[in-house]
Amino acid sequence: EVQLVESGGGLVQRGGSLRLSCATSGFTFDNYAMHWVRQVPGKGLEWVSGIGWNSGRIGYADSVKGRFTISRDNAKHSLYLQMNSLRAEDTALYYCAKDFSPRYGYSGFDMWGQGTMVTVSS
Amino acid sequence: DIQMTQSPSSLSASVGDRVTITCRASQVISNSLAWYQQKPGKAPKLLLHAASILEYGVPSRFSGGGSGSDYTGTDYTLTISSLQPEDFATYYCQQYYSTPLLTFGGGTKVEIK
Repeated sequence: EVQLVESGGGLVQRGGSLRLSCATSGFTFDNYAMHWVRQVPGKGLEWVSGIGWNSGRIGYADSVKGRFTISRDNAKHSLYLQMNSLRAEDTALYYCAKDFSPRYGYSGFDMWGQGTMVTVSS
Repeated sequence: DIQMTQSPSSLSASVGDRVTITCRASQVISNSLAWYQQKPGKAPKLLLHAASILEYGVPSRFSGGGSGSDYTGTDYTLTISSLQPEDFATYYCQQYYSTPLLTFGGGTKVEIK
């Protein structure tokens, strides 16, 4: 069974930092790109960042570029998101998501975690 | 960046109705489109990819329309042929043409009439 379990969310002051983690199991982690997607409660989905299977292809939404850093550890089957200079508008539920295209694919999301909530206080 | 515009933002329908949701891309995306269903308090679920390929286990009442045989269009549709009680949810489109930058549509909430 595929599992993605996010952790690291919480309450942080504006300008602060958080590091999100996503522990995975049940699939060959280093065969797939991975992503972070966020959702403000009651609002739509926003793709935040993605990383290729070998960390060779990385992308960020304009809203987080220069402040967030995505990384992965294939040996630990884990995905990370370092979030710096946090703003009130970063408050959201952050999902870890697995890409549905193996190896060189970078496409969409076929498996999701349950999310970790990040709240930035002003 | 490619913008994805979904319409309508919400709709009311009855069980058994045929429902169509439209997603318009700001440029050609050559059928590089996925559709998701999200129910309250749950993570999204992938329904289709490549505009019209149904995911395993997704009922056949869901179908996706693409940009034509020459992949030059920008309008895509998600159709539910006969709405069931479990289909009341919010639906999102998402393009993956402009990797590594991905974008979602704004969502369409399907409510019970």
